[in-house]
Amino acid sequence: EAGVVQSPRYKIIEKKQPVAFWCNPISGHNTLYWYRQNLGQGPELLIRYENEEAVDDSQLPKDRFSAERLKGVDSTLKIQPAELGDSAVYLCASSLHGGGNTEAFFGQGTRLTVV
Amino acid sequence: AQRVTQPEKLLSVFKGAPVELKCNYSYSGSPELFWYVQYSRQRLQLLLRHISRESIKGFTADLNKGETSFHLKKPFAQEEDSAMYYCALLTGANNLFFGTGTRLTVIP
Repeated sequence: EAGVVQSPRYKIIEKKQPVAFWCNPISGHNTLYWYRQNLGQGPELLIRYENEEAVDDSQLPKDRFSAERLKGVDSTLKIQPAELGDSAVYLCASSLHGGGNTEAFFGQGTRLTVV
Repeated sequence: AQRVTQPEKLLSVFKGAPVELKCNYSYSGSPELFWYVQYSRQRLQLLLRHISRESIKGFTADLNKGETSFHLKKPFAQEEDSAMYYCALLTGANNLFFGTGTRLTVIP
């Protein structure tokens, strides 16, 4: 199995442009996380989905960031418009909570550079 | 609010020496603690979790609720242990929070 798949791996855009990231979690995983990781920092939680419901988006900067998880499977994270400070690695993770399973599986991440 | 603190950004030890990566947490509920590792050019992956109380690749970690700590230890470091290590806390609401990470370098 490929695990959590993210695309694109790299993205370079000019400031004020929109950008979108895509995540395909492990099949059957009900929980999906989006994280932002700045250089030299740990992953920062942006939003968590349980199936198709965004159950915690308190850390998501809602003025420019949005996310969706249609049908409770794939998810997209969008930034519009992007700012220079948004340059970071965006990580997606999925987990199957239940029966003692709490391990989160991560994708390779999307490295965003805003110029 | 929850918080995970890793006081060391960088840690270097010689091969064969003991290693300890520190992690402290604050959380009002009953947390589940993890150590995740990221080897060079690989994705973040689980190393171990406190509820399993197992040794993975020679690493162990004990949850000390009195000191709110979950330090990662290995008696004899190996070169292949060089990586970024992140301590993480899972809340009762299933939110997973990470510390800032410690880069471990094992010197041959």
